[in-house]
Amino acid sequence: AQSVTQPDIHITVSEGASLELRCNYSYGATPYLFWYVQSPGQGLQLLLKYFSGDTLVQGIKGFEAEFKRSQSSFNLRKPSVHWSDAAEYFCAVTKAAGNKLTFGGGTRVLVKP
Amino acid sequence: GAGVSQSPSNKVTEKGKDVELRCDPISGHTALYWYRQSLGQGLEFLIYFQGNSAPDKSGLPSDRFSAERTGGSVSTLTIQRTQQEDSAVYLCASSAYRNEQFFGPGTRLTVL
Repeated sequence: AQSVTQPDIHITVSEGASLELRCNYSYGATPYLFWYVQSPGQGLQLLLKYFSGDTLVQGIKGFEAEFKRSQSSFNLRKPSVHWSDAAEYFCAVTKAAGNKLTFGGGTRVLVKP
Repeated sequence: GAGVSQSPSNKVTEKGKDVELRCDPISGHTALYWYRQSLGQGLEFLIYFQGNSAPDKSGLPSDRFSAERTGGSVSTLTIQRTQQEDSAVYLCASSAYRNEQFFGPGTRLTVL
């Protein structure tokens, strides 16, 4: 069975500083990977996805993620965070595009002025 | 274009009552998913419809939960004899064939 681990429950970062959120997955075959963001009281918004090809993927809002098969990781990064990036971030995996998602527990990001 | 919509946005019910939650997917999307988000369990898959195929019901937690999708579009998630542990945010998503999922704003269910 597939699983996703997000080791950091909370991260606090200063505005303008860089951000990296960790995601490790467990899946036997080539995974399809996603990062979603959820602002308070909102649904999930897709930041980026990895299906195949280039292992460094660019997303919306200045985010990027790198797929590392050897480490079973798909970490999310942003060079300079804005106060509006305060939210909860979820990593998700599926065995095939369009199939059901398995989510990590989420990482809540707080941004200090 | 319009995104995924869900209704109601909030639902408060009494233990033992039945509830129906509605999802309107993005027009043309062939797949529709239901997930549940709760403090204790995080985000969990419930059920998934793909075109005319039999739904994947593997995530439904009990036989009190059911869902249908009429005409390949709107879906209704029904919870019978609600329990307090059913309190959660119920999220619906839709996708084009073999593509990423787009989520609705969710329905917050509170069972008193």
